[in-house]
Amino acid sequence: EIVLTQSPGTLSLSPGERATLSCRASQSVSSTYLAWYQQKPGLAPRLLIYGASSRATGIPDRFSGSGSGTDFTLTISRLEPEDFAVYFCQLYGISPRFTFGPGTKVDIK
Amino acid sequence: EVQLVESGGGLVQPGGSLRLSCAASGFSFSSYSMNWVRQAPGKGLEWVSYISHSSSPIYYADYVKGRFNISRDNARNALYLQMNSLRADDTAVYYCARSRGAVPSHWYFDLWGRGTLVTVSS
Repeated sequence: EIVLTQSPGTLSLSPGERATLSCRASQSVSSTYLAWYQQKPGLAPRLLIYGASSRATGIPDRFSGSGSGTDFTLTISRLEPEDFAVYFCQLYGISPRFTFGPGTKVDIK
Repeated sequence: EVQLVESGGGLVQPGGSLRLSCAASGFSFSSYSMNWVRQAPGKGLEWVSYISHSSSPIYYADYVKGRFNISRDNARNALYLQMNSLRADDTAVYYCARSRGAVPSHWYFDLWGRGTLVTVSS
């Protein structure tokens, strides 16, 4: 079973700063099957990135995804006030079908 | 408007049953695979079950296999989750979520409902 870990657990930054979030898989996976989601308090998650690097419809280009093998990264180039949220990575389409990482909280410094 | 709306959550005793529903609108529901995902209070996301557009195949997470049953009614644009033998650790907000496409490389969740809270407690 593939396990996802995310780091850091919490990232404290100021608006305008760059955020770099890490997602590591316990074994090598195809980047085709890696997604990132954003979740704000009390709301459903929102798809940001699929296929490790493809932005979902309507997602601003300050969000970018990269990586391969076991190491994947979500980068927010310049944090806007609405970007402070929790971010989850996800594996889909491979055993055990769907796996989420524990999340990284990006909060205001 | 493209949306998913869950209903059916509530308080249930351990060992009890509950049936969740998800109403889809604004898109061709019968063309999409669907999922249930849950989130315990203050915790992360946990996938529960997947159903293809045609109701086969169906997959379950190990922790609900044998207790939960996913189904759909394409004529009614509705997704269901029958939950039996409920336990305290099933307490969570349950979301329905759409998979973007039929092939595994497109199984990411591109549309989510707002969720319905299930509380299992005596």
